[in-house]
Amino acid sequence: GIQVEQSPPDLILQEGANSTLRCNFSDSVNNLQWFHQNPWGQLINLFYIPSGTKQNGRLSATTVATERYSLLYISSSQTTDSGVYFCAVERYFDDMRFGAGTRLTVKP
Amino acid sequence: GAGVSQSPSNKVTEKGKDVELRCDPISGHTALYWYRQSLGQGLEFLIYFQGNSAPDKSGLPSDRFSAERTGGSVSTLTIQRTQQEDSAVYLCASSILTGGEGNTIYFGEGSWLTVV
Repeated sequence: GIQVEQSPPDLILQEGANSTLRCNFSDSVNNLQWFHQNPWGQLINLFYIPSGTKQNGRLSATTVATERYSLLYISSSQTTDSGVYFCAVERYFDDMRFGAGTRLTVKP
Repeated sequence: GAGVSQSPSNKVTEKGKDVELRCDPISGHTALYWYRQSLGQGLEFLIYFQGNSAPDKSGLPSDRFSAERTGGSVSTLTIQRTQQEDSAVYLCASSILTGGEGNTIYFGEGSWLTVV
């Protein structure tokens, strides 16, 4: 099956800093999403982005499908950004596979 | 409903007992997914339903696990003869699967299962 690798596994930032999270995947995909899992365990959609670039406030994402990677950018980080960020991909609309996640801690 | 609803939210059961976990997807969503997340770990894919059918059940960890979906809506994940290693959060997600943004999947809040 398709492999999903995320880096870095852990990231500690000072409030206000910027960061880039990476997701590499092993095959072409029809679906790619970024999620944020908050400290209470809830998974929140950030982006549906199988290709191209999107922005939502301080967050933006870019997927280069031909090179099989996606990047999530967080600018001016806030303590509420803390949690785990997951990348998930789906090749044939039958199973969405998740990476191991990047655990982000933003310190005040 | 407005979101994916899962029940129970918390379940403590004795080793060897059977448990049923329920997922009510967003109204009109044809695709439904089950995942398992152990403490501090990533999401393990269990099973996917398109309508009432599950094309691939190979993600289920053992034959003690089964899942069904009836009427293209509510799904039940059943774990028979629970073991302590089954303790985890069981997450359900759904999508409308119409292509484009319709492939976005939305998660419920999970069912926290503890086997003692």
